[in-house]
Amino acid sequence: DADVTQTPRNRITKTGKRIMLECSQTKGHDRMYWYRQDPGLGLRLIYYSFDVKDINKGEISDGYSVSRQAQAKFSLSLESAIPNQTALYFCATSDFGPGGVEQYFGPGTRLTVT
Amino acid sequence: RKEVEQDPGPFNVPEGATVAFNCTYSNSASQSFFWYRQDCRKEPKLLMSVYSSGNEDGRFTAQLNRASQYISLLIRDSKLSDSATYLCVVISDGSSNTGKLIFGQGTTLQVKP
Repeated sequence: DADVTQTPRNRITKTGKRIMLECSQTKGHDRMYWYRQDPGLGLRLIYYSFDVKDINKGEISDGYSVSRQAQAKFSLSLESAIPNQTALYFCATSDFGPGGVEQYFGPGTRLTVT
Repeated sequence: RKEVEQDPGPFNVPEGATVAFNCTYSNSASQSFFWYRQDCRKEPKLLMSVYSSGNEDGRFTAQLNRASQYISLLIRDSKLSDSATYLCVVISDGSSNTGKLIFGQGTTLQVKP
């Protein structure tokens, strides 16, 4: 089984709808991240969490919210989806440690807002 | 100016060729550097870390030039399976403990038979 899972894998929704993307991990990592990827822009950080009680905004948090329900679960919500939120969304986890640490990514959720 | 910049390519090379990618970063306080590989429509995966002294892993060599603020990835004897997008990644907030990665937009490599 995959260490980092995301649901759904694909979603088409309409403008104005609320949508939640879910991420679960079995790696036992404290740190979790949400990114979006757009062609030509690379991955951009939306939110990150270093433990259950710690939530931080990333580079592009406007229009998004998150919930860290448990160490293993980190959800991303779009309260009112808009077409420019169409993107590939990745969840990632990492362990704590100095010197830079490897991030482990989920398989991604392809979201289309019409 | 983007914090991490890469030539998006694509780089089209024949099997067996040697190919090199560069990546520049703007924050001189950047602490840690990595190359990730991303196959089409898949998640990124760590290829290798980049150390100040340079490091090699089989056919792959990564180097860091702090003075000029760039990192490089050299792939020797390219294989068809090397076809992917290579993401330059920097921890750029001056504290490697936070683990926040800044990604370049990626360089696409296509190795042809």
